[in-house]
Amino acid sequence: DVKVTQSSRYLVKRTGEKVFLECVQDMDHENMFWYRQDPGLGLRLIYFSYDVKMKEKGDIPEGYSVSREKKERFSLILESASTNQTSMYLCASSLSGASGPQHFGDGTRLSIL
Amino acid sequence: EDQVTQSPEALRLQEGESSSLNCSYTVSGLRGLFWYRQDPGKGPEFLFTLYSAGEEKEKERLKATLTKKESFLHITAPKPEDSATYLCAVQGGTGNQFYFGTGTSLTVIP
Repeated sequence: DVKVTQSSRYLVKRTGEKVFLECVQDMDHENMFWYRQDPGLGLRLIYFSYDVKMKEKGDIPEGYSVSREKKERFSLILESASTNQTSMYLCASSLSGASGPQHFGDGTRLSIL
Repeated sequence: EDQVTQSPEALRLQEGESSSLNCSYTVSGLRGLFWYRQDPGKGPEFLFTLYSAGEEKEKERLKATLTKKESFLHITAPKPEDSATYLCAVQGGTGNQFYFGTGTSLTVIP
């Protein structure tokens, strides 16, 4: 069974802090994604990666960076957290190649105070 | 513009009252259409993949169908435990990207 694990379900941080969100998948998937989900706005793609040490900007990369040092792990970094980054963050993975679904973790509810 | 639109935004059904959710898309070069279920405070759970017009998939009380411009998720005799947000996603476009709809929030009343 597919498994995407996000390190924290809930996280509270302060404005200006550097925040790390971790995601691990055990399916040997090449592709990994970070989204944020806000009411009325749906899922918005922040960054994605097609391979180790590779990263591509999504639709809303400002204020974020990512790291992929190993195939199974994809980290999202908030360089200097701001209140408008309070959101639900979702990690997903998928196989490379023609087509196929993304599989999601359970999300991290991040609050920036 | 490549986009995915889901309707209605919210749907309330009595237990046993069958209905359908709609997902229409303008994404070119369809590679796949995916349905997900999302419970409050959790990540989307994958339900179905549809690849070509005319294709159908079933799972318990859910049946997904696909035409060239839209997909339907039919819910037959729903139960309260079917209450969730149902998301549709389309893979395609010039960059083989994923495009997500904003979901339909389904509430089934006992």
